[in-house]
Amino acid sequence: AQSVTQPDIHITVSEGASLELRCNYSYGATPYLFWYVQSPGQGLQLLLKYFSGDTLVQGIKGFEAEFKRSQSSFNLRKPSVHWSDAAEYFCAVDSSYKLIFGSGTRLLVRP
Amino acid sequence: DTGVSQNPRHKITKRGQNVTFRCDPISEHNRLYWYRQTLGQGPEFLTYFQNEAQLEKSRLLSDRFSAERPKGSFSTLEIQRTEQGDSAMYLCASSWDNTEAFFGQGTRLTVV
Repeated sequence: AQSVTQPDIHITVSEGASLELRCNYSYGATPYLFWYVQSPGQGLQLLLKYFSGDTLVQGIKGFEAEFKRSQSSFNLRKPSVHWSDAAEYFCAVDSSYKLIFGSGTRLLVRP
Repeated sequence: DTGVSQNPRHKITKRGQNVTFRCDPISEHNRLYWYRQTLGQGPEFLTYFQNEAQLEKSRLLSDRFSAERPKGSFSTLEIQRTEQGDSAMYLCASSWDNTEAFFGQGTRLTVV
């Protein structure tokens, strides 16, 4: 069965530091992969997506993610974190028209 | 277009009561999805519509849950005889075919 694992429940970084959030997926075919961000009490906003082609994808708010088929990973990165990036981040894989989400990583930003 | 709209944003109900939520998708989107999200978890798929046809339902969707999308526009999700375990955020999303889904802000249900 398809699944998504986000191994880090919480991550704390200092403002201005770099960030990497991990995501591993289990999917038989070429996956469609997504990263969403959710602020408290809000819905989900799409940061970026991978469908095919270049394995390094750029998203909004300065985020990027790299698809590595050999590692079944789709890690999210940002070179310099801003305090407004504090939120919950979800990785997801498209599975027959529906999304399967990981359990999320909560990002805390130290001033 | 203001995106996906969900109403109400919050709902508190007594156990055993029925509740109904509404979702207005982005107007040109033909697909509409319902997800449920409990605290500390990612959203879980409940059901989806292609136009007015309900094409898939998760086993999470017990017989107390029913969803409709009349005329392929807005959708409603009804929960009958609510239980405390139904307390969650209910998220609606829409997309055009298999492109990325856009989510609404959700309806938070609390069953007391």
